[in-house]
Amino acid sequence: ELKVEQNPLFLSMQEGKNYTIYCNYSTTSDRLYWYRQDPGKSLESLFVLLSNGAVKQEGRLMASLDTKARLSTLHITAAVHDLSATYFCAGVSYNTDKLIFGTGTRLQVFP
Amino acid sequence: ETGVTQTPRHLVMGMTNKKSLKCEQHLGHNAMYWYKQSAKKPLELMFVYSLEERVENNSVPSRFSPECPNSSHLFLHLHTLQPEDSALYLCASSQVPGGVNTEAFFGQGTRLTVV
Repeated sequence: ELKVEQNPLFLSMQEGKNYTIYCNYSTTSDRLYWYRQDPGKSLESLFVLLSNGAVKQEGRLMASLDTKARLSTLHITAAVHDLSATYFCAGVSYNTDKLIFGTGTRLQVFP
Repeated sequence: ETGVTQTPRHLVMGMTNKKSLKCEQHLGHNAMYWYKQSAKKPLELMFVYSLEERVENNSVPSRFSPECPNSSHLFLHLHTLQPEDSALYLCASSQVPGGVNTEAFFGQGTRLTVV
């Protein structure tokens, strides 16, 4: 059964700094997703990573996937307050379409 | 607006009540999901319907009863709930089999409080 772990669970960072959120998964996953959730809101899709070495960037966020290491990273460059949210990664069990989520990383960016 | 609509947005119910959560998707997807999000816990997959057949039931107590009358609608019927069932219930939909179009879209959620 696929298990997905994220770290850190909570991240408080100053504006302008860089940081990386890590997502490890236990077995083969067809693909890896990153979602953002604002307080009281639903999950918003950020990235879909489909193959080993995939890298996607949107603004100050960049996601990558290493299927051999079973690791995905979400890198934040020069953080701004608007990035404050909870970020989830999710994998998909091989040959199924069940999304299995990590615990989430609560990101807080302060001035 | 993601194309997945959940109602109601908020629900307060007593432990002896019966209520239903509704989810509707306008994306032409053929799989729908119920997730539970509690404080300090990961998102928990509860049920999966694929092509209107239930394909996943993750040891969810029988006081939660899903129904998928067609590929666009999903219900979660609730009865004799416990206070620990208070949580945000999220509905999602996706296209299966997947490939590049497997992105799941989420509804806004129903915030359920059991008193």
